[in-house]
Amino acid sequence: ETGVTQSPTHLIKTRGQQVTLRCSSQSGHNTVSWYQQALGQGPQFIFQYYREEENGRGNFPPRFSGLQFPNYSSELNVNALELDDSALYLCASSSDRTDTQYFGPGTRLTVL
Amino acid sequence: AQSVAQPEDQVNVAEGNPLTVKCTYSVSGNPYLFWYVQYPNRGLQFLLKYITGDNLVKGSYGFEAEFNKSQTSFHLKKPSALVSDSALYFCAVREDWAGGFKTIFGAGTRLFVKA
Repeated sequence: ETGVTQSPTHLIKTRGQQVTLRCSSQSGHNTVSWYQQALGQGPQFIFQYYREEENGRGNFPPRFSGLQFPNYSSELNVNALELDDSALYLCASSSDRTDTQYFGPGTRLTVL
Repeated sequence: AQSVAQPEDQVNVAEGNPLTVKCTYSVSGNPYLFWYVQYPNRGLQFLLKYITGDNLVKGSYGFEAEFNKSQTSFHLKKPSALVSDSALYFCAVREDWAGGFKTIFGAGTRLFVKA
């Protein structure tokens, strides 16, 4: 198991609501990336945070936003939830000295 | 843009037999390739990576992968499959930009190992 943790494990929301997912990176890692994994698909890159700044973004609308804190933990916020936002959300951490991303167990979001 | 393809949705193999999960890649420049495994209700676990050097890469749990530049392939292999190897396997490639990188995943191959 990696040292990456995510909360909550599962979440059920209704369309139009807002949600916040949380991630604690592995010790020594200063970079956090978020991925969305829809059912039956591979993970898709949402964005990456490095030292509290967003430094890369995938093809996701602005209602997907994030934060990284001084301890390098991170939040993913999704506003105006849509049914298609139902997915497993994965957090991955890495550092300047790692070439591999290490993933947390994920948060399963269901939008009704 | 970098991409990987996994041509098989599912691979079935008997316990004790060798297994191969296929992956082909398309990259500009030198490839930076990975294999991850996902068990039910779990996140992705890193298995192995190829950066440069030996074409045969050894990883966790007895898995290895063979990098073939001429065929642009990076197939995952194991000499003797276990029932516990049944899981979803993802091939992936790293894409860099100034100051950051992301991992681009294939669609995944589900491996079933029958006792």
